[in-house]
Amino acid sequence: QSALIQPPSASGSPGQSVTISCTGSSSDVGGYNYVSWYQQHPGKAPKLMISEVNKRPSGVPDRFSGSKSGNTASLTVSGLQAEDEADYYCNSYAGRYWVFGGGTKLTVL
Amino acid sequence: QVQLQESGPGLVEPSGTLSLTCAVSGDSIRSGDWWSWVRQPPNKGLEWIGETSHKGTTNYHPSLKSRVTISADKSKNQFSLKLTSVTAADTAVYYCARAGGWKLDYWGQGALVIVSS
Repeated sequence: QSALIQPPSASGSPGQSVTISCTGSSSDVGGYNYVSWYQQHPGKAPKLMISEVNKRPSGVPDRFSGSKSGNTASLTVSGLQAEDEADYYCNSYAGRYWVFGGGTKLTVL
Repeated sequence: QVQLQESGPGLVEPSGTLSLTCAVSGDSIRSGDWWSWVRQPPNKGLEWIGETSHKGTTNYHPSLKSRVTISADKSKNQFSLKLTSVTAADTAVYYCARAGGWKLDYWGQGALVIVSS
């Protein structure tokens, strides 16, 4: 039932790449390929950026990519842009319920 | 375009019941998707509350299961959330969302509910 573990913050300069990790267990991240990532700007609803580990919905820039190894999933943002500054949350299926990560605040320097 | 809109009281007294409704347009509750509730306490992260299917099957987060009921009204194309015995810790922005194919692909704008006397 514990939340997935994400670093509280991450940062990078425009044009750089940054990777955000999301660590769970064999009961959630490691047990299913149903990891999603959501972007949330202040005062706005979350927006789906990646689903099923590495699938990018229509309209999401290909600068966003996802991967998974064991119990840890990752979101990589390449070619950072100012508008990428936001909170990012991972989410995983855990067998009849879903669990979110604590969130990572991405700052574009 | 799928749209979801939350509605309900913005203020609930402690020990009372929080009730919210999510109106769906652009899709049918009768579809094969699941319909979810997620909340976010002020300045904190997202917490998945639970979901219902068009068949009435429900799944709830273990930590809230004893207090939560989520149900669908197919005639009105909407689904609802009831959370009993609320405390200040239940103060949050409550979002409804469509769980289409193992992802929360459409979200409502969110409704702030404050628990206070």
